[in-house]
Amino acid sequence: NAGVTQTPKFQVLKTGQSMTLQCAQDMNHEYMSWYRQDPGMGLRLIHYSVGAGITDQGEVPNGYNVSRSTTEDFPLRLLSAAPSQTSVYFCASTRPGTSNEQFFGPGTRLTVL
Amino acid sequence: AQSVSQHNHHVILSEAASLELGCNYSYGGTVNLFWYVQYPGQHLQLLLKYFSGDPLVKGIKGFEAEFIKSKFSFNLRKPSVQWSDTAEYFCAVKIYNQGGKLIFGQGTELSVKP
Repeated sequence: NAGVTQTPKFQVLKTGQSMTLQCAQDMNHEYMSWYRQDPGMGLRLIHYSVGAGITDQGEVPNGYNVSRSTTEDFPLRLLSAAPSQTSVYFCASTRPGTSNEQFFGPGTRLTVL
Repeated sequence: AQSVSQHNHHVILSEAASLELGCNYSYGGTVNLFWYVQYPGQHLQLLLKYFSGDPLVKGIKGFEAEFIKSKFSFNLRKPSVQWSDTAEYFCAVKIYNQGGKLIFGQGTELSVKP
């Protein structure tokens, strides 16, 4: 199992550009989520999905879109990048049942100039 | 709104010192509790978790945590830290019956001096 994979690892954007952060998992987990990590603020939930075709907003959804067409993939789209979106982005998938352990991807470090 | 608070932002210890990192959450119902660790340049990894039963849980690498329901706390401990424990530590809470959403604390950066 590759676990949770994310691409790219690093990205630099100019203000106003759009891009998609890719996330995939091969563990057949229904629940997936996107977080951003900023110094002193921990991880904040951007969007999550409880299964293919179902997504919902987390704590900080503004400026981001998601879709979930398959169980495996959960891309995060930045519609018009802003410097405030400079952050490290983590995708996670959750093992179902009582364990509920979240498995994290390696992260994408995004800089918006 | 539910929240998780980690009291220490940066802790500096010498090798062999004992460690205790505080974590408090604000929710009166049933919760599941987690500690994650993030080594420099790496992604988050699960250290330990509490779901039910014995409130003292043991995790990997000699870490343990104690759930004290009356204090809404889940503090992380290790009797003797090593240089390799240098990392950022995150406490997280899952509210029972709220799906897979985790609420994370702000994180505590631990630096261990050799």
